[in-house]
Amino acid sequence: GAVVSQHPSRVICKSGTSVKIECRSLDFQATTMFWYRQFPKQSLMLMATSNEGSKATYEQGVEKDKFLINHASLTLSTLTVTSAHPEDSSFYICSAGLGQGWDTQYFGPGTRLTVL
Amino acid sequence: GQQVMQIPQYQHVQEGEDFTTYCNSSTTLSNIQWYKQRPGGHPVFLIQLVKSGEVKKQKRLTFQFGEAKKNSSLHITATQTTDVGTYFCAGIIYGQNFVFGPGTRLSVLP
Repeated sequence: GAVVSQHPSRVICKSGTSVKIECRSLDFQATTMFWYRQFPKQSLMLMATSNEGSKATYEQGVEKDKFLINHASLTLSTLTVTSAHPEDSSFYICSAGLGQGWDTQYFGPGTRLTVL
Repeated sequence: GQQVMQIPQYQHVQEGEDFTTYCNSSTTLSNIQWYKQRPGGHPVFLIQLVKSGEVKKQKRLTFQFGEAKKNSSLHITATQTTDVGTYFCAGIIYGQNFVFGPGTRLSVLP
């Protein structure tokens, strides 16, 4: 089946630093990848749609300058949390689909970010 | 804005009992997807429903899409401890974004 990986699985950083999270589709090419944020015991919140070779599309209320997304290839998208603050601490999950747009989504295992 | 709601928020059942979670949208959906997230895990795709009134089954799980394509349900027959987790519906609004419901957390007592 389709496998999506994320790295790192956990990261602890100091306030003010930047953190990069990688999302890879291991056995398929993903034109579109999605980034979500999940607070404890809450639903997934879509942050942005990452399009290979073009700019990401951000959801309302998500700061594009704070959450930098780069989709450099058909198998890799990165999310960089810049100048991290404690309120950015969360579980970040990416997903990728086999088809265009909102086809079946395969989720990565998530990255737990803790900002001290 | 668009909203997708789910009820109940929590459900505790005895093993062997049935379980149903309901998903309701304020807007007509082009399709709806269901996911299961085990405690500490990531969401796993279960199924997608596209047609009005569609019913699909996966072993003990039955999924329905309402006639008006604004609601959906997931029913589990004779729950098992392996069914524990949070079940999310995610609605796709025509030409727009992908909205997750808040999820229903199921616990199964042995």
